[in-house]
Amino acid sequence: QPVLTQPPSVSAAPGQKVTISCSGSSSNIGNHYVSWYQQLPGTAPKLLIYENNKRPSGIPDRFSGSKSGTSATLGVTGLQTGDEADYYCGTWDSFLFTVVFGGGSKLTVL
Amino acid sequence: QLQLQESGPGLVKPSETLSLTCSVSGDSINSSSYYWGWIRQPPGKGLEWIGSIYYSGSIFHNPSLKSRVTISVDTSRNQFSLKLTSVTAADTAVYSCVRQGDYGDYVFDSWGQGTLVTVSS
Repeated sequence: QPVLTQPPSVSAAPGQKVTISCSGSSSNIGNHYVSWYQQLPGTAPKLLIYENNKRPSGIPDRFSGSKSGTSATLGVTGLQTGDEADYYCGTWDSFLFTVVFGGGSKLTVL
Repeated sequence: QLQLQESGPGLVKPSETLSLTCSVSGDSINSSSYYWGWIRQPPGKGLEWIGSIYYSGSIFHNPSLKSRVTISVDTSRNQFSLKLTSVTAADTAVYSCVRQGDYGDYVFDSWGQGTLVTVSS
């Protein structure tokens, strides 16, 4: 069972906005930075967001991240069919002493 | 441009040892800025961090796997390796090598394409 909780699936229409939640605890999200990864079908994950809300170079500003308390959120605006993918949150857990991930959320652009 | 490429057997028998190597090109594994690690993903499931190594040999493991995992680095070949002992069907997964350090200690900024390892007799 993943340490971080994500909704299994989210969906929205092209051009719309969607948010994906990631819920944890004080030992992980509450006290550590959160990163987000996008995994397109059949490919390796790709870093989308780091340090809660920062984007690596080359990641469009349609992708955003935020954190409040023990939860984090990934936002995607201007949805495109090419955004259909699995999205994972991840962080460090200082109680388990390991990197932990969410179970992943499958984004469908209707 | 950094490239990571996993190699190793795609089929391992139960109770045997899984061995994988990651070849790094486009960067030196001796770089003091990075850790090099392994992450796996069972079919249809989420991500699990296995462990990471610094070029000097410092290692961090996932405690749930630590007793079965060995990660080593070969700076002369610009490669690092994973050994997982006493495998079972639960170890069947896509294994990816990763780099971390450009955006934080536990942020994986580059990934290999991954290699499927099936544990079966």
